[in-house]
Amino acid sequence: GAGVSQSPSNKVTEKGKDVELRCDPISGHTALYWYRQSLGQGLEFLIYFQGNSAPDKSGLPSDRFSAERTGGSVSTLTIQRTQQEDSAVYLCASSLVASGDGPFFGPGTRLTVL
Amino acid sequence: AQSVTQPDIHITVSEGASLELRCNYSYGATPYLFWYVQSPGQGLQLLLKYFSGDTLVQGIKGFEAEFKRSQSSFNLRKPSVHWSDAAEYFCAVGALEYGNKLVFGAGTILRVKS
Repeated sequence: GAGVSQSPSNKVTEKGKDVELRCDPISGHTALYWYRQSLGQGLEFLIYFQGNSAPDKSGLPSDRFSAERTGGSVSTLTIQRTQQEDSAVYLCASSLVASGDGPFFGPGTRLTVL
Repeated sequence: AQSVTQPDIHITVSEGASLELRCNYSYGATPYLFWYVQSPGQGLQLLLKYFSGDTLVQGIKGFEAEFKRSQSSFNLRKPSVHWSDAAEYFCAVGALEYGNKLVFGAGTILRVKS
C-alpha cells in the first residue's frame, strides 16, 4: 500500500519568510510524528499527534514552529519567520499504536533557508 | 532522561563478512526498540522492532537484533553483508509512558568494501 508522503520534497526560501510542509500519513494510522534531521544535531523529535488527544509539542524549538493535523489525517508543519538554522530535512512518520505497526517515515522535505 | 548510544560512528566490513552494530539505551520505562536504515538522500526505512516477547527479532533484508535487558542493549546483526547494505543505521527507543515518541541514536555509517 501507499506509504507516508511528504511535500514538497525540496523547499528553498528566504530568511524571514513563512513555510508550510505537508505530511500525508498511511491511511488508518492514528499516530503522526514530525522529526528534524540536520548535520550535527541528528534526529530531533518535534511534535507527536495521537488520535484526538492533545499533541505533544515538547520538541518544538521555538514558538515560530507550529503544526496541525486536520481530520486525524493530513498534517502541516508551519515555520514562521524562517531562520538559517531552520535549514534541515523535516521527516514525518505515522504508526498504528494499537497494533504496533510502524512508525514508518516519509521521504522528508529538505528545507534550505537562504 | 532517555538516551540512546551508538558507540560506533563508522564501521567498515568486507562484503560477505558478518556485521554487528551496537546500540545501548537508558530508559526509565519498558522500552520499544527499533532499527532504521537510511541511504543517502532517502528517508528512514524500518528494519525491525521489538515490542515484547521473543528477544531475538527478525527483520527485513536478512537483519536480526537481540534485546538484552540486563545489558540495556539491542544490537543489530547480519551474517553476511552485501554491498547494498552500505548506509547509515539508526537505533531508536520509545515507550508508551513517554507518549511513544522515539529517541534516536546518532547513527552508525556502514561502509562495505569489496
